[in-house]
Amino acid sequence: RKEVEQDPGPFNVPEGATVAFNCTYSNSASQSFFWYRQDCRKEPKLLMSVYSSGNEDGRFTAQLNRASQYISLLIRDSKLSDSATYLCVVNRPNDYKLSFGAGTTVTVRA
Amino acid sequence: EADIYQTPRYLVIGTGKKITLECSQTMGHDKMYWYQQDPGMELHLIHYSYGVNSTEKGDLSSESTVSRIRTEHFPLTLESARPSHTSQYLCASSEQGAPLPKAFFGQGTRLTVV
Repeated sequence: RKEVEQDPGPFNVPEGATVAFNCTYSNSASQSFFWYRQDCRKEPKLLMSVYSSGNEDGRFTAQLNRASQYISLLIRDSKLSDSATYLCVVNRPNDYKLSFGAGTTVTVRA
Repeated sequence: EADIYQTPRYLVIGTGKKITLECSQTMGHDKMYWYQQDPGMELHLIHYSYGVNSTEKGDLSSESTVSRIRTEHFPLTLESARPSHTSQYLCASSEQGAPLPKAFFGQGTRLTVV
């Protein structure tokens, strides 16, 4: 089983729509969770960290469900510029490495 | 904006050549990483370092080697490039001891071996 699994999508949504997707992780001892954004042929960039209580950053909301071992990302009022691949990232307990999901592709259309 | 730099950005080279991909960061991070990513595919960790003189192999077997003589510098070397090495190579660094060890990436080196 992969350490981090994501629905690859693509999620094709119109501008202004809300889109949400999850990622599951296998190691219940993981402590740190992140969402990264990667544009086509570019490097990943940190979008937001995910806190236990859930957190918001503008139009983006991240949630953590430890019991079911998943994190989610919700994007409200989608913009064309939100089109990207969103990578779920989870730390590996007891070392400093991060496990990356394969990414969920979101395409926002006009 | 992250202060981590990779050179070259693009490299096209013939089979059998020795190449070194450079990665430097000015954030003083102890932990550094090399990832390999094929188009549309996930990132795979190929090397990591916890600090000076510390290097370890990652999850994906790679014929490349790395060195960490200085904190800010983590070069990757391929002794004899082959077409199977064609890929994007991403360098990253992260903070030691931070509660949320965020990783910052360089812009990547897109390597093509012909």
